[in-house]
Amino acid sequence: GAVVSQHPSWVICKSGTSVKIECRSLDFQATTMFWYRQFPKQSLMLMATSNEGSKATYEQGVEKDKFLINHASLTLSTLTVTSAHPEDSSFYICSASRDTRLVGDTQYFGPGTRLTVL
Amino acid sequence: AQKVTQVQTEISVVEKEDVTLDCVYETRDTTYYLFWYKQPPSGELVFLIRRNSFDEQNEISGRYSWNFQKSTSSFNFTITASQVVDSAVYFCALSVRSNFNKFYFGSGTKLNVKP
Repeated sequence: GAVVSQHPSWVICKSGTSVKIECRSLDFQATTMFWYRQFPKQSLMLMATSNEGSKATYEQGVEKDKFLINHASLTLSTLTVTSAHPEDSSFYICSASRDTRLVGDTQYFGPGTRLTVL
Repeated sequence: AQKVTQVQTEISVVEKEDVTLDCVYETRDTTYYLFWYKQPPSGELVFLIRRNSFDEQNEISGRYSWNFQKSTSSFNFTITASQVVDSAVYFCALSVRSNFNKFYFGSGTKLNVKP
């Protein structure tokens, strides 16, 4: 149980285009989903927290207009990188949590999406 | 403020050796949880364990064991008789009651197990 999928697993796009990444919890309902960014050989950097049915909460320094997050259902969250540029190239990882009102609820991670912007 | 420190950037061992990955955390919250995740080369983080701040009992799961010591704010992870498949980056993470489920990750320790 607690499987999280991401699609696509990798994507290459031209500078200026928008890219949408999907994150799905396959066998449980996720009240909260998180989006992380990971640079090579570095730790995960939290970008935003999204709760089903409400606006995402972005971490300081993350442009909300550039990284659009939608959490329309309890099993799906999407991250759209708008007008992507080469500096947006990175490994994007989502995670899902059943209920963040439960202190210490485990986050289950998706396999990640590698974005390359040419 | 919350912080997780993994001082070991990279460790190399030969198969069948035991290895301990260190994790030190900082928080003023009295209610918190600690986690370990494994990130193999494929990239997906795999959940290994969760411990809460009120349970200092050590845990063993097969070749894996965890030593939680509040007195030293440490949550160390030991792999016994390491195998090549254990090669991965291991992350320690902290979540606290006051910041619902937000994870604070350490910088990770890359473990290389050589045959």
